[in-house]
Amino acid sequence: AQKVTQAQTEISVVEKEDVTLDCVYETRDTTYYLFWYKQPPSGELVFLIRRNSFDEQNEISGRYSWNFQKSTSSFNFTITASQVVDSAVYFCAANTGKLIFGQGTTLQVKP
Amino acid sequence: NAGVMQNPRHLVRRRGQEARLRCSPMKGHSHVYWYRQLPEEGLKFMVYLQKENIIDESGMPKERFSAEFPKEGPSILRIQQVVRGDSAAYFCASSPNTGAFGGETQYFGPGTRLLVL
Repeated sequence: AQKVTQAQTEISVVEKEDVTLDCVYETRDTTYYLFWYKQPPSGELVFLIRRNSFDEQNEISGRYSWNFQKSTSSFNFTITASQVVDSAVYFCAANTGKLIFGQGTTLQVKP
Repeated sequence: NAGVMQNPRHLVRRRGQEARLRCSPMKGHSHVYWYRQLPEEGLKFMVYLQKENIIDESGMPKERFSAEFPKEGPSILRIQQVVRGDSAAYFCASSPNTGAFGGETQYFGPGTRLLVL
């Protein structure tokens, strides 16, 4: 069975700091997919990124970047120069046909 | 292109009543998923449906809960005889059929917040 662990329950940073959200996954599958979603205070779930297991190239999108390391079963998410609007709960998830979510990390960015 | 639509956004029911939650997938999406977010428990998968078929209901409680995705119309999550413990946010997601099992991106609706009094 797949499992996703987000060990950081809450993180608080000051605006413009960089912050990394950790995600560790467990799977026996050779092909798998990993995701990050953002849940802002308004409550909706916003898709951020999808990563497949056979593409280890890291990805950058603006201030967001993702570091996929198969050797350590990690898929970490870094926000550079954080902003108050980044305050949200961030979920890492693995897809087995259904999404298995981590417990989420609450990020608070203070002005 | 409209996103996933859910209604109602908020629903209040008294214990013993029925709750019906509706979900219209994104245009062109044939797969629908329901998830529940309980306080302090995170997001949990409930059921995965395609048109007129339940593909995986391994996360559905055995009693009082049912789901359908008819040929025409939205997907419905139905909770009979609600109890206080059913109070939660219920999210619907949809995805296209790309053939990449497990690889389809699921796009979420805004959720329905159910409060059972």
